[in-house]
Amino acid sequence: DVKVTQSSRYLVKRTGEKVFLECVQDMDHENMFWYRQDPGLGLRLIYFSYDVKMKEKGDIPEGYSVSREKKERFSLILESASTNQTSMYLCASLSVSGFADTQYFGPGTRLTVL
Amino acid sequence: GENVEQHPSTLSVQEGDSAVIKCTYSDSASNYFPWYKQELGKGPQLIIDIRSNVGEKKDQRIAVTLNKTAKHFSLHITETQPEDSAVYFCAASIPGNMLTFGGGTRLMVKP
Repeated sequence: DVKVTQSSRYLVKRTGEKVFLECVQDMDHENMFWYRQDPGLGLRLIYFSYDVKMKEKGDIPEGYSVSREKKERFSLILESASTNQTSMYLCASLSVSGFADTQYFGPGTRLTVL
Repeated sequence: GENVEQHPSTLSVQEGDSAVIKCTYSDSASNYFPWYKQELGKGPQLIIDIRSNVGEKKDQRIAVTLNKTAKHFSLHITETQPEDSAVYFCAASIPGNMLTFGGGTRLMVKP
């Protein structure tokens, strides 16, 4: 079974703090993603990476950065957390088969910024 | 870019009844339409998907239909059970592009 793990399930931080969210996958997938999930807005793509040290902006990259030093690990960084970044953050990795692109999600990190 | 709208945002059904969730997409080039189920405290999991060369796909109590002309696709769950209670997301993707997700539907199945 594919496993995507995220370092924290719940996190509480203060405005202005630097926040690191870690994601690890065990299936040697090339592609990894960070989404944020807010009620009524679905999942919105923040950043994705298709290889080590490669990154691409998604739909809402402002206020975030990412790091991919190793294939299995993809980190999301909030340089200076703000209250409007309070959200559920989901990491995913992608398996590309002949007919379908299946994304496997981690359990999520619920971040609260006070 | 692609835009996916999902309705309803909440759906309450009696156990044993059917549930239908509908999504529309904007880009006629989209050709892959997965559905994800997110249970409480977990990440979304793929439950069924369909490609644009197929009009319908079934997997036990779950089915998905696709109308390319109207640019909409639907998830049908028959004989609902309490364990079907979850948030369901539809998504669409254009070849070579990322998935675009709908806003989600909270399904509640009342025993």
